Amino acid sequence: QVQVMQSGSEVKKSGSSVKVSCKASGGTFISYAIIWVRQAPGQGLEWVGGIIPMLGTTKYAQTLEGRVTITADASMDSSWMELTSLRSDDSAVYYCARAPPGRREPHYWGQGTLVSVSS
Amino acid sequence: EIVMTQSPATLSVSLGERATLSCRASQSVGWDLAWYQQKPGQAPRLLIYGAYIRATGIPARFSGSGSGTEFTLSISSLQSEDFAVYYCHQSSNWRFTFGPGTKVDI
Repeated sequence: QVQVMQSGSEVKKSGSSVKVSCKASGGTFISYAIIWVRQAPGQGLEWVGGIIPMLGTTKYAQTLEGRVTITADASMDSSWMELTSLRSDDSAVYYCARAPPGRREPHYWGQGTLVSVSS
Repeated sequence: EIVMTQSPATLSVSLGERATLSCRASQSVGWDLAWYQQKPGQAPRLLIYGAYIRATGIPARFSGSGSGTEFTLSISSLQSEDFAVYYCHQSSNWRFTFGPGTKVDI
């Protein structure tokens, strides 16, 4: 049974940084892709980026490139998403999700982490 | 970036009716298309991947079709628990994108 658990809510000031953690248990972590998605209040889903721990490959949304960094530690079955230079429009629920081997689309989702950015 | 569009934005249906949702990609994504259902306050739930493969535990009333740039999600007989927002998602390359969603309501 795959389980994805994320860290708790965060309240940040504009210009600061946030780091959200995700632990994905069940199966061999290193074989899976981890994907990060965010959802602003009342809005749709936006892909943030992803990582394939086995390959050490990361990809980011063009709109966030330069401000977002996704990392993973296979020994801990964990991934982290750090977003810097926060703005008010970064306020959103951030989801971590995992794809099964050989796939790229998210199958198993975490509960989401609310990040609120205030001035 | 591949742009995904969905239609209609809102679909009003009655219990037991068939619902047909459309998704279009700005360029071919092959079969790398997934559908998600999201209810208020919940994480998205995978329904269909690979354009037509039902995810584990998804009822047979959900079906996906299409390839390339045109895709359809059909719900054969709407149940009360199916009223939600549905998103299509392409993963044909490592610049994933989601459609804006279709809200299915009564």
